[in-house]
Amino acid sequence: DTAVSQTPKYLVTQMGNDKSIKCEQNLGHDTMYWYKQDSKKFLKIMFSYNNKELIINETVPNRFSPKSPDKAHLNLHINSLELGDSAVYFCASSQVTDGNTIYFGEGSWLTVV
Amino acid sequence: GNSVTQMEGPVTLSEEAFLTINCTYTATGYPSLFWYVQYPGEGLQLLLKATKADDKGSNKGFEATYRKETTSFHLEKGSVQVSDSAVYFCALSDPGNTPLVFGKGTRLSVIA
Repeated sequence: DTAVSQTPKYLVTQMGNDKSIKCEQNLGHDTMYWYKQDSKKFLKIMFSYNNKELIINETVPNRFSPKSPDKAHLNLHINSLELGDSAVYFCASSQVTDGNTIYFGEGSWLTVV
Repeated sequence: GNSVTQMEGPVTLSEEAFLTINCTYTATGYPSLFWYVQYPGEGLQLLLKATKADDKGSNKGFEATYRKETTSFHLEKGSVQVSDSAVYFCALSDPGNTPLVFGKGTRLSVIA
């Protein structure tokens, strides 16, 4: 069983479209994250949720809207996609009692054309 | 704020060579330190971690020691293999529900 799973793995879409990436973790963790990896492999935190509550919201355009229906799911919706949104988006989760070790999903490769 | 600095790549080594990837950090408290590995086309996998000073994390022949006096967490492997070719990320996390802060990654290429 995959611990942190996200779908779709690959997504190619046109500028201006709206798309969503879904994420689920079966580790029983309280905290979930979205990270963005750019073309130079640099990883940056976008959002962090703890028990469905938003606790970190870095400087991200408000076209990006995370939604956590329960603590096992954290979805990312992106409106009006732009070329610069092309990146790999990683979902992750952690638990304080596990030394805050973060476990990542396999990534969603988004290409905006 | 917290930050991680790791040596820039790419690093190219011959099989069975000794590997060191340097990582230093800046943190306000007593962070946990991590190395993650990303193989081509895949996500990030935890390679090893250390949660307090002088701890040594080890996995798959890799090891790193948490050095508080030099604020470092260098990754080493005695004999690399072609299958170790990947991007390696050093990261830190403060206690509590704080996200990881990553270094910029170091690409390692091992040639036969």
